[in-house]
Amino acid sequence: GAVVSQHPSWVICKSGTSVKIECRSLDFQATTMFWYRQFPKQSLMLMATSNEGSKATYEQGVEKDKFLINHASLTLSTLTVTSAHPEDSSFYICSAVRDPRQPQHFGDGTRLSIL
Amino acid sequence: KNEVEQSPQNLTAQEGEFITINCSYSVGISALHWLQQHPGGGIVSLFMLSSGKKKHGRLIATINIQEKHSSLHITASHPRDSAVYICAASFSGGGADGLTFGKGTHLIIQP
Repeated sequence: GAVVSQHPSWVICKSGTSVKIECRSLDFQATTMFWYRQFPKQSLMLMATSNEGSKATYEQGVEKDKFLINHASLTLSTLTVTSAHPEDSSFYICSAVRDPRQPQHFGDGTRLSIL
Repeated sequence: KNEVEQSPQNLTAQEGEFITINCSYSVGISALHWLQQHPGGGIVSLFMLSSGKKKHGRLIATINIQEKHSSLHITASHPRDSAVYICAASFSGGGADGLTFGKGTHLIIQP
């Protein structure tokens, strides 16, 4: 089946650090990748939609200058949390779509803790 | 506003019981998804449906477009079914559209 790899699984770092999270589709070319965020005891929320070779589309309330998304190839999208602060601590998870008529395939997520 | 409501939030049942989780949504959708989230956070897609009914093993998902309602059923539940089950909707664009999620149902199946 389709596999999406997300790395790292967890990150603990100091406030002000920039953190990069990678999302790779291992056995298929993803036309679209999505980035979601989940705060404790809350629903998953869409942050941005990423298409290869074009600028990401951000949801309302998500700062594009803070959450940099690069989708350089059909198998890799990266999310960089710039100058992270404790309020950015959350669970970040990506998903990838091979075919719009098929379900999204999710990575295992990244637990980010900013001290 | 695109909203997805899910119930119950928590459900504890005995092994073997028939489980039903309900989901309703506010406006027309292009697809309804049922997801399973494990304790570590990883998410598995169980079903994607836009009409009718789908079955996979002991899991059954149904959707009523007119009622804007979907249900996930688990037959002969087992402790390994314990997880958070999440209903999510694509409100436009089919699968190439970001999902709007319900709050999830935390299911515990006791032996």
